[in-house]
Amino acid sequence: GQQVMQIPQYQHVQEGEDFTTYCNSSTTLSNIQWYKQRPGGHPVFLIQLVKSGEVKKQKRLTFQFGEAKKNSSLHITATQTTDVGTYFCAGRGHNFNKFYFGSGTKLNVKP
Amino acid sequence: EAGVTQFPSHSVIEKGQTVTLRCDPISGHDNLYWYRRVMGKEIKFLLHFVKESKQDESGMPNNRFLAERTGGTYSTLKVQPAELEDSGVYFCASKTSGADTQYFGPGTRLTVL
Repeated sequence: GQQVMQIPQYQHVQEGEDFTTYCNSSTTLSNIQWYKQRPGGHPVFLIQLVKSGEVKKQKRLTFQFGEAKKNSSLHITATQTTDVGTYFCAGRGHNFNKFYFGSGTKLNVKP
Repeated sequence: EAGVTQFPSHSVIEKGQTVTLRCDPISGHDNLYWYRRVMGKEIKFLLHFVKESKQDESGMPNNRFLAERTGGTYSTLKVQPAELEDSGVYFCASKTSGADTQYFGPGTRLTVL
C-alpha cells in the first residue's frame, strides 16, 4: 500500500543551527501538507504544497515539493526553542479521502 | 469559534473491555476523520465521514472497531473488545468540503492493560 517515509526520526540541534526533515512517498502525491505537534499537543496545520517543484516560505520555514511530487522537505533556518516539537508530513494520494502521514521528526532545540 | 474536542482525554482499560471515544468537530465541518498514532509511529488514517456517511473506512484495523456519526454532527469510535495493540493516541480531525486544512482535536490517549 501507499506509504510516506519520513527522516530523521529525531534531531537535536543547538539554537541557531538549521534543521531539515524529509518525506518520501512510494507513489505520486496529489499534494502534501505539513503539520507541527508541540509536546503534549495535537497536530496543527502549517502549509499545503500542490504544484510540482513548489517552494513556499513562512518566515524561517521553507517547504519544498519535489518535481516528481513524490518527496518533500521542511527546512528551518536558525532554529529557536519555540521550534521544538514533532513535524509531520501528510501526503494526499489519488484517493482524495486519505492522507498518508509520515512517522514524524521530533526536533529538540538546546538553548 | 470552538475547536475540535475529544472525550475522554485519557482512558485506561483492561484487555477485553469496551471503550467509546467521542469527537465533536468544528461546527459546520462536514468532513470528519479518525486517526491513530501508536508511540513513535506515523499518524495512521482510520476512516473518513462526510456528514453521516462513511466515505472511506479502509484504515479500520478490524471489526472490533466501529465508528458512527449519526446526524452528521459528533462521531463515536467504539473498540470492543479492546486488545493490547489498540493502545495509542486517537485523533479526530475535521474540515469543510473544498478546503484542505484539517483541524485536529487534542486526541484521546488509550491504554489497554
